[in-house]
Amino acid sequence: QQQVKQSPQSLIVQKGGISIINCAYENTAFDYFPWYQQFPGKGPALLIAIRPDVSEKKEGRFTISFNKSAKQFSLHIMDSQPGDSATYFCAASVDSSYKLIFGSGTRLLVRP
Amino acid sequence: DGGITQSPKYLFRKEGQNVTLSCEQNLNHDAMYWYRQDPGQGLRLIYYSQIVNDFQKGDIAEGYSVSREKKESFPLTVTSAQKNPTAFYLCASSIQGQGAGSPLHFGNGTRLTVT
Repeated sequence: QQQVKQSPQSLIVQKGGISIINCAYENTAFDYFPWYQQFPGKGPALLIAIRPDVSEKKEGRFTISFNKSAKQFSLHIMDSQPGDSATYFCAASVDSSYKLIFGSGTRLLVRP
Repeated sequence: DGGITQSPKYLFRKEGQNVTLSCEQNLNHDAMYWYRQDPGQGLRLIYYSQIVNDFQKGDIAEGYSVSREKKESFPLTVTSAQKNPTAFYLCASSIQGQGAGSPLHFGNGTRLTVT
């Protein structure tokens, strides 16, 4: 119940394409869903986050889509750039909890 | 610039030795965390501290110990009881419980290799 399942494990996209990463959860108490971006040798950094009271949140080229009934959420990267090449983690928690449950990560490579 | 400093970046130890990883923050955050990152397994919570002189076990606390004597510092000791200590260790902080108004801020990690 505490797991967040993330797919795919790795993803290769051409420059300008759309990158899509999917996550699914079981715990219906989760109400905070952030995405973190991690470059090699660095710590993760918050990219974008969503609460379940909205179905979509967009920040620049990054969009989270949220499907509460299916207990799924996804990250879409539009017009993917080589600089987006990184590992992406979805996560979930009860808002303001001290325990954030991370997915297993997706390594994205954007080819020039 | 405010942030989290983890040192050293790389650490090598012999099996059977305890080792302490340093984490310092100047963000004035109350909460601090230690995560372990292994390939294909995401980030797993080892310990967290909500406030000075208080800390709680996370999901994989066995073989680890922490202290929180100062707001700025949250060192992690990997003891000889940890069966598989080789990993990338990440320290993080947040204003309070992490959430929409209090995201996690991570350091750049310490890669520990035990042989």
